Amino acid sequence: RKEVEQDPGPFNVPEGATVAFNCTYSNSASQSFFWYRQDCRKEPKLLMSVYSSGNEDGRFTAQLNRASQYISLLIRDSKLSDSATYLCVVYGGATNKLIFGTGTLLAVQP
Amino acid sequence: DTGVSQDPRHKITKRGQNVTFRCDPISEHNRLYWYRQTLGQGPEFLTYFQNEAQLEKSRLLSDRFSAERPKGSFSTLEIQRTEQGDSAMYLCASSLGLTGEKSDTQYFGPGTRLTVL
Repeated sequence: RKEVEQDPGPFNVPEGATVAFNCTYSNSASQSFFWYRQDCRKEPKLLMSVYSSGNEDGRFTAQLNRASQYISLLIRDSKLSDSATYLCVVYGGATNKLIFGTGTLLAVQP
Repeated sequence: DTGVSQDPRHKITKRGQNVTFRCDPISEHNRLYWYRQTLGQGPEFLTYFQNEAQLEKSRLLSDRFSAERPKGSFSTLEIQRTEQGDSAMYLCASSLGLTGEKSDTQYFGPGTRLTVL
């Protein structure tokens, strides 16, 4: 079983739609959680951190459920510019490294 | 530009050749990480440094791979006797080295894309 699991998609949605991505992690000792965004052939960039019970940043909402070891990302009012791969990332436990999921590909259609 | 930089951005080499990549982290960051990403996968951790000390190495890092950070600033990743399976994007990241809940955001460089023919 992979340490971080995501649905690879692709998710094809029309502009203005609401889309949700889910992620599960296996190490209950994990300390911090993130969503990174990666455009095609570019480096990953931090989208948002996910702390405690979750947080919101504009159209983006991230939720964390430690009991179920589950993280989600909700994007409201999707824009064409939101098209990218969204990487679920877990940090900590016994190590300082980031552990990435395989990413979920989002394609927002006009 | 004060972000993480990597050089070269692209490298094409023949199987069996040695290659070396360089990473310059954000100047005040004392942690530096190397990751490898293949098509359709998320980045996979290779190794990390706290200042000049290499503190962890992944099992992915075979004995053909070596990384250094001699003065605690820039780092190099060398691959000896390259194989076609080494073809990937090699990403460098750096962080301040904070602990606690508001932890230690890692900022990535643009990567070096390696193609082994």
